[in-house]
Amino acid sequence: GEEVAQTPKHLVRGEGQKAKLYCAPIKGHSYVFWYQQVLKNEFKFLISFQNENVFDETGMPKERFSAKCLPNSPCSLEIQATKLEDSAVYFCASSQGGHELPLHFGNGTRLTVT
Amino acid sequence: GQQLNQSPQSMFIQEGEDVSMNCTSSSIFNTWLWYKQDPGEGPVLLIALYKAGELTSNGRLTAQFGITRKDSFLNISASIPSDVGIYFCAGQLVGSNYQLIWGAGTKLIIKP
Repeated sequence: GEEVAQTPKHLVRGEGQKAKLYCAPIKGHSYVFWYQQVLKNEFKFLISFQNENVFDETGMPKERFSAKCLPNSPCSLEIQATKLEDSAVYFCASSQGGHELPLHFGNGTRLTVT
Repeated sequence: GQQLNQSPQSMFIQEGEDVSMNCTSSSIFNTWLWYKQDPGEGPVLLIALYKAGELTSNGRLTAQFGITRKDSFLNISASIPSDVGIYFCAGQLVGSNYQLIWGAGTKLIIKP
């Protein structure tokens, strides 16, 4: 499609539960990025993919967070055993790659951990 | 970690006024991007800058990539109510894997 599609729009989980977020990048874009935006508005890089391969995972918390981009499926970001501090809006973005850096963002998934 | 200092944090302006905001860093960037975010939505790209000294316009918006490659500014001329929102700068560090470093945002509010 012509837009980055993220689902669900809102997700509420009790502390300790699993959360799974999905992202369909723009068709033809080979790079997918996940960012976390917390209450102070700052964006924190989590992970990026080049097609189905992890490109840069330097921002991913070592524990509890995992992500995948499999062929013919939406990309996913999964948080095992959520904590209160995981509450944030998680944005997915895609780009054509190479020097086509500008990221096209989805509208985010708001995760609330209670 | 790497930081971008974005200022001002917020601006209260009258409709029709010009607006200026900037981002600075101690690090060298090879790309600067300016985004606008409306409530409940993702950031939308306004202007992308790829070369030191580059000055680019998009309608009433003008942005420049600083000569030192450590800063950028965004100007909005003759502001209108729909300019309200949060503006973010984001930069790609030299040698990074397309990872963006973000400013903390400038919230633009138009006084009634």
